[in-house]
Amino acid sequence: QKEVEQDPGPLSVPEGAIVSLNCTYSNSAFQYFMWYRQYSRKGPELLMYTYSSGNKEDGRFTAQVDKSSKYISLFIRDSQPSDSATYLCAINQGSNYQLIWGAGTKLIIKP
Amino acid sequence: DADVTQTPRNRITKTGKRIMLECSQTKGHDRMYWYRQDPGLGLRLIYYSFDVKDINKGEISDGYSVSRQAQAKFSLSLESAIPNQTALYFCATSDRTEAFFGQGTRLTVV
Repeated sequence: QKEVEQDPGPLSVPEGAIVSLNCTYSNSAFQYFMWYRQYSRKGPELLMYTYSSGNKEDGRFTAQVDKSSKYISLFIRDSQPSDSATYLCAINQGSNYQLIWGAGTKLIIKP
Repeated sequence: DADVTQTPRNRITKTGKRIMLECSQTKGHDRMYWYRQDPGLGLRLIYYSFDVKDINKGEISDGYSVSRQAQAKFSLSLESAIPNQTALYFCATSDRTEAFFGQGTRLTVV
């Protein structure tokens, strides 16, 4: 079993829809949860960063962590074609540990 | 200028050839990384370095070597390239939280 599981998609939704992207993980020691966005032919860029359980909101984006279920989510409201990208979750136990990456979900927002 | 610069951006090489991918960063961070990305497999760590004198193997280091020439420079070598090393390679640097990636090098081994 991989330490972090993420459905690679692709996930195709119409413009304006609410998007839900998810990862599950196996190690209860993980504490730091990140979402990176990667556009085609570019390197990943940090989108959201959360520590421990709960929600964090930034504009149209909400990151949610449920440590009891070992489940993290990224919600995108009012999705735009410019949100079309691959979204990768990344998790670790602390700053002295390596990031463990999900496979990335390719998201397509149709105009 | 980009915070993390990788050269070359694209490379086609023949099986058995030695090739070096170079990376430089202007973020001033001590930590640097080399990843490869394959469809459906996400980012896999090849090597990482927490400072100039520190080099560590990642999960897929076989067939690769690295050199940390300075705080800002970290190069990846394939001593004898093979076709299954065809992939997209990323260099990254980080502080204790956020990682900053280069644009990637698309390497094809024929």
